[in-house]
Amino acid sequence: QSVLTQPPSASGTPGQRVTISCSGSSSNIGSNTVNWYQQLPGTAPNVLIYSNNQRPSGVPDRFSGSKSGTSASLAITGLQSEDEADYFCAAWDDSLDGVVFGGGTKLTVL
Amino acid sequence: QITLKESGPTLVKPTQTLTLTCIFSGFSLSSRGVGVGWSRQPPGKPLEWLAVIYWNDDKRYSPSLKSRLTIAKDTSGNQVVLTMTNMDAADTARYYCAHTGLWSPPENWGQGALVTVSS
Repeated sequence: QSVLTQPPSASGTPGQRVTISCSGSSSNIGSNTVNWYQQLPGTAPNVLIYSNNQRPSGVPDRFSGSKSGTSASLAITGLQSEDEADYFCAAWDDSLDGVVFGGGTKLTVL
Repeated sequence: QITLKESGPTLVKPTQTLTLTCIFSGFSLSSRGVGVGWSRQPPGKPLEWLAVIYWNDDKRYSPSLKSRLTIAKDTSGNQVVLTMTNMDAADTARYYCAHTGLWSPPENWGQGALVTVSS
Protein backbone atom coordinates (compact mmCIF):
# COMPACT_ATOMS: atom_id res chain seq x y z
CA GLN A 1 0.00 0.00 0.00
CA SER A 2 1.44 3.33 -1.10
CA VAL A 3 2.11 6.12 1.40
CA LEU A 4 0.53 8.73 -0.89
CA THR A 5 -3.08 8.02 -1.86
CA GLN A 6 -4.35 8.49 -5.40
CA PRO A 7 -7.59 7.35 -7.02
CA PRO A 8 -6.84 4.23 -9.08
CA SER A 9 -8.62 5.57 -12.14
CA ALA A 10 -9.93 8.74 -13.76
CA SER A 11 -11.56 9.47 -17.08
CA GLY A 12 -12.76 12.25 -19.32
CA THR A 13 -13.74 13.08 -22.85
CA PRO A 14 -11.57 15.07 -25.27
CA GLY A 15 -11.53 18.76 -24.38
CA GLN A 16 -12.62 18.20 -20.79
CA ARG A 17 -10.78 19.16 -17.62
CA VAL A 18 -9.79 16.38 -15.23
CA THR A 19 -8.09 16.50 -11.87
CA ILE A 20 -6.14 13.82 -10.04
CA SER A 21 -5.67 14.05 -6.30
CA CYS A 22 -2.76 12.94 -4.12
CA SER A 23 -3.27 12.74 -0.38
CA GLY A 24 -0.46 12.49 2.14
CA SER A 25 0.47 13.61 5.61
CA SER A 26 2.38 16.27 7.51
CA SER A 27 5.66 14.39 7.10
CA ASN A 28 5.56 14.33 3.30
CA ILE A 29 3.25 16.62 1.30
CA GLY A 30 2.63 18.80 4.34
CA SER A 31 6.29 19.75 4.62
CA ASN A 32 7.90 19.04 1.25
CA THR A 33 7.32 19.67 -2.43
CA VAL A 34 5.42 17.37 -4.77
CA ASN A 35 6.33 16.08 -8.22
CA TRP A 36 3.92 14.61 -10.76
CA TYR A 37 4.88 12.11 -13.45
CA GLN A 38 3.25 10.79 -16.59
CA GLN A 39 4.04 7.23 -17.58
CA LEU A 40 2.97 6.09 -21.02
CA PRO A 41 2.68 2.31 -21.54
CA GLY A 42 6.07 0.63 -21.68
CA THR A 43 8.05 3.81 -20.99
CA ALA A 44 9.84 5.44 -18.07
CA PRO A 45 8.11 8.07 -15.91
CA ASN A 46 8.41 11.61 -17.22
CA VAL A 47 8.20 14.59 -14.85
CA LEU A 48 5.20 16.80 -15.63
CA ILE A 49 5.26 19.02 -12.56
CA TYR A 50 8.05 19.64 -10.02
CA SER A 51 8.10 21.71 -6.85
CA ASN A 52 4.28 21.56 -6.59
CA ASN A 53 3.45 23.70 -9.60
CA GLN A 54 6.46 24.16 -11.87
CA ARG A 55 6.44 22.82 -15.42
CA PRO A 56 9.67 21.68 -17.08
CA SER A 57 10.29 23.13 -20.50
CA GLY A 58 8.40 21.20 -23.13
CA VAL A 59 5.46 20.27 -20.91
CA PRO A 60 2.25 21.85 -22.26
CA ASP A 61 0.54 24.43 -20.07
CA ARG A 62 -2.55 22.22 -20.16
CA PHE A 63 -0.90 20.51 -17.19
CA SER A 64 -0.86 22.29 -13.83
CA GLY A 65 -0.19 21.35 -10.23
CA SER A 66 -1.27 22.71 -6.88
CA LYS A 67 -0.81 21.88 -3.22
CA SER A 68 -2.83 22.67 -0.12
CA GLY A 69 -1.94 21.34 3.30
CA THR A 70 -1.31 17.61 3.03
CA SER A 71 -2.87 17.17 -0.43
CA ALA A 72 -1.83 17.94 -3.97
CA SER A 73 -3.65 17.93 -7.29
CA LEU A 74 -2.79 17.61 -10.95
CA ALA A 75 -5.14 19.28 -13.40
CA ILE A 76 -5.28 18.57 -17.11
CA THR A 77 -7.31 20.91 -19.28
CA GLY A 78 -8.25 20.40 -22.92
CA LEU A 79 -7.92 16.63 -22.52
CA GLN A 80 -6.38 14.87 -25.53
CA SER A 81 -6.23 11.21 -26.50
CA GLU A 82 -2.46 11.20 -26.05
CA ASP A 83 -2.95 12.07 -22.37
CA GLU A 84 -4.11 8.50 -21.75
CA ALA A 85 -1.45 7.22 -19.37
CA ASP A 86 -0.64 6.47 -15.73
CA TYR A 87 0.02 9.44 -13.45
CA PHE A 88 2.04 9.29 -10.21
CA CYS A 89 2.74 11.78 -7.44
CA ALA A 90 5.83 11.76 -5.22
CA ALA A 91 7.32 13.66 -2.30
CA TRP A 92 10.13 13.40 0.22
CA ASP A 93 9.01 12.01 3.57
CA ASP A 94 10.80 13.37 6.65
CA SER A 95 9.73 10.46 8.88
CA LEU A 96 10.79 7.70 6.45
CA ASP A 97 13.82 9.77 5.35
CA GLY A 98 13.15 8.90 1.73
CA VAL A 99 10.89 9.39 -1.26
CA VAL A 100 7.29 8.16 -1.21
CA PHE A 101 5.15 7.58 -4.29
CA GLY A 102 1.44 7.47 -4.89
CA GLY A 103 -0.13 4.28 -6.16
CA GLY A 104 -0.81 5.82 -9.55
CA THR A 105 -3.93 6.88 -11.42
CA LYS A 106 -4.81 5.39 -14.79
CA LEU A 107 -6.34 8.10 -16.96
CA THR A 108 -8.68 6.98 -19.72
CA VAL A 109 -9.76 9.34 -22.48
CA LEU A 110 -13.22 8.23 -23.53
CA GLN B 1 20.71 17.80 -21.59
CA ILE B 2 20.50 15.36 -18.69
CA THR B 3 20.56 11.68 -19.61
CA LEU B 4 20.81 8.54 -17.50
CA LYS B 5 21.08 4.91 -18.51
CA GLU B 6 20.88 1.80 -16.38
CA SER B 7 22.81 -1.37 -17.09
CA GLY B 8 23.07 -4.77 -15.45
CA PRO B 9 21.96 -8.38 -15.72
CA THR B 10 18.50 -9.12 -17.05
CA LEU B 11 18.27 -12.40 -15.16
CA VAL B 12 19.49 -13.29 -11.68
CA LYS B 13 18.96 -16.40 -9.61
CA PRO B 14 17.31 -16.39 -6.17
CA THR B 15 19.78 -15.58 -3.35
CA GLN B 16 22.22 -13.94 -5.78
CA THR B 17 23.37 -10.33 -5.53
CA LEU B 18 22.19 -7.82 -8.14
CA THR B 19 24.56 -5.07 -9.26
CA LEU B 20 23.16 -2.23 -11.38
CA THR B 21 25.11 0.68 -12.83
CA CYS B 22 23.71 4.09 -13.74
CA ILE B 23 25.80 6.08 -16.21
CA PHE B 24 24.76 9.71 -16.50
CA SER B 25 25.66 12.89 -18.33
CA GLY B 26 24.54 16.50 -18.38
CA PHE B 27 25.15 17.14 -14.68
CA SER B 28 27.87 16.65 -12.08
CA LEU B 29 27.47 14.58 -8.94
CA SER B 30 30.11 16.85 -7.43
CA SER B 31 27.78 19.85 -7.54
CA ARG B 32 26.15 20.88 -4.27
CA GLY B 33 22.56 19.70 -3.93
CA VAL B 34 22.72 17.07 -6.65
CA GLY B 35 21.82 13.44 -6.14
CA VAL B 36 21.20 10.21 -8.04
CA GLY B 37 18.52 7.85 -6.83
CA TRP B 38 17.09 4.44 -7.66
CA SER B 39 13.48 3.31 -7.80
CA ARG B 40 11.82 0.17 -9.14
CA GLN B 41 8.49 -0.87 -10.58
CA PRO B 42 7.28 -4.49 -10.58
CA PRO B 43 5.16 -5.36 -13.63
CA GLY B 44 1.75 -3.72 -13.36
CA LYS B 45 2.51 -2.19 -9.96
CA PRO B 46 3.37 1.26 -8.59
CA LEU B 47 6.81 2.75 -8.23
CA GLU B 48 8.88 1.95 -5.14
CA TRP B 49 11.78 4.16 -4.04
CA LEU B 50 15.00 2.37 -3.12
CA ALA B 51 17.91 4.69 -2.38
CA VAL B 52 19.68 7.98 -3.12
CA ILE B 53 23.27 9.23 -2.93
CA TYR B 54 24.17 12.93 -2.86
CA TRP B 55 27.15 14.99 -3.98
CA ASN B 56 28.63 14.89 -0.46
CA ASP B 57 28.33 11.07 -0.28
CA ASP B 58 25.31 11.28 2.04
CA LYS B 59 23.09 8.25 1.43
CA ARG B 60 19.51 7.31 2.26
CA TYR B 61 17.79 3.94 1.88
CA SER B 62 14.26 2.60 1.87
CA PRO B 63 13.66 1.45 5.46
CA SER B 64 12.14 -1.86 4.30
CA LEU B 65 15.12 -2.73 2.08
CA LYS B 66 17.98 -1.00 3.91
CA SER B 67 19.66 -4.22 5.03
CA ARG B 68 19.94 -5.44 1.42
CA LEU B 69 20.96 -2.26 -0.41
CA THR B 70 24.21 -0.43 -1.00
CA ILE B 71 24.55 2.67 -3.16
CA ALA B 72 27.90 4.17 -4.14
CA LYS B 73 29.49 6.67 -6.47
CA ASP B 74 32.04 5.35 -8.92
CA THR B 75 35.44 7.04 -8.94
CA SER B 76 34.91 7.93 -12.61
CA GLY B 77 32.50 10.60 -11.44
CA ASN B 78 29.60 9.84 -13.76
CA GLN B 79 28.44 6.47 -12.50
CA VAL B 80 26.39 5.30 -9.54
CA VAL B 81 26.19 1.65 -8.54
CA LEU B 82 23.36 -0.04 -6.64
CA THR B 83 23.75 -3.50 -5.16
CA MET B 84 20.91 -5.57 -3.75
CA THR B 85 21.66 -8.80 -1.94
CA ASN B 86 19.65 -11.99 -1.50
CA MET B 87 17.45 -11.49 -4.55
CA ASP B 88 14.00 -13.08 -4.59
CA ALA B 89 11.24 -13.49 -7.19
CA ALA B 90 9.44 -10.58 -5.52
CA ASP B 91 12.33 -8.36 -6.63
CA THR B 92 11.47 -8.86 -10.31
CA ALA B 93 10.95 -5.32 -11.59
CA ARG B 94 12.16 -2.58 -13.90
CA TYR B 95 14.85 -0.63 -12.04
CA TYR B 96 15.25 3.08 -12.75
CA CYS B 97 17.93 5.58 -11.82
CA ALA B 98 17.14 9.29 -11.75
CA HIS B 99 18.70 12.70 -11.20
CA THR B 100 17.35 14.39 -8.10
CA GLY B 101 17.74 17.43 -5.91
CA LEU B 102 18.41 17.44 -2.18
CA TRP B 103 15.57 15.83 -0.19
CA SER B 104 13.40 15.83 -3.32
CA PRO B 105 11.60 13.32 -5.54
CA PRO B 106 13.26 12.19 -8.79
CA GLU B 107 13.36 14.53 -11.77
CA ASN B 108 15.03 13.14 -14.90
CA TRP B 109 14.73 9.36 -15.26
CA GLY B 110 16.66 6.74 -17.16
CA GLN B 111 14.88 4.30 -19.45
CA GLY B 112 14.99 1.54 -16.85
CA ALA B 113 16.47 -1.95 -16.73
CA LEU B 114 14.24 -5.00 -16.45
CA VAL B 115 15.53 -7.55 -13.96
CA THR B 116 13.92 -10.96 -13.63
CA VAL B 117 14.65 -13.19 -10.64
CA SER B 118 14.24 -16.84 -11.51
CA SER B 119 16.09 -20.10 -11.13
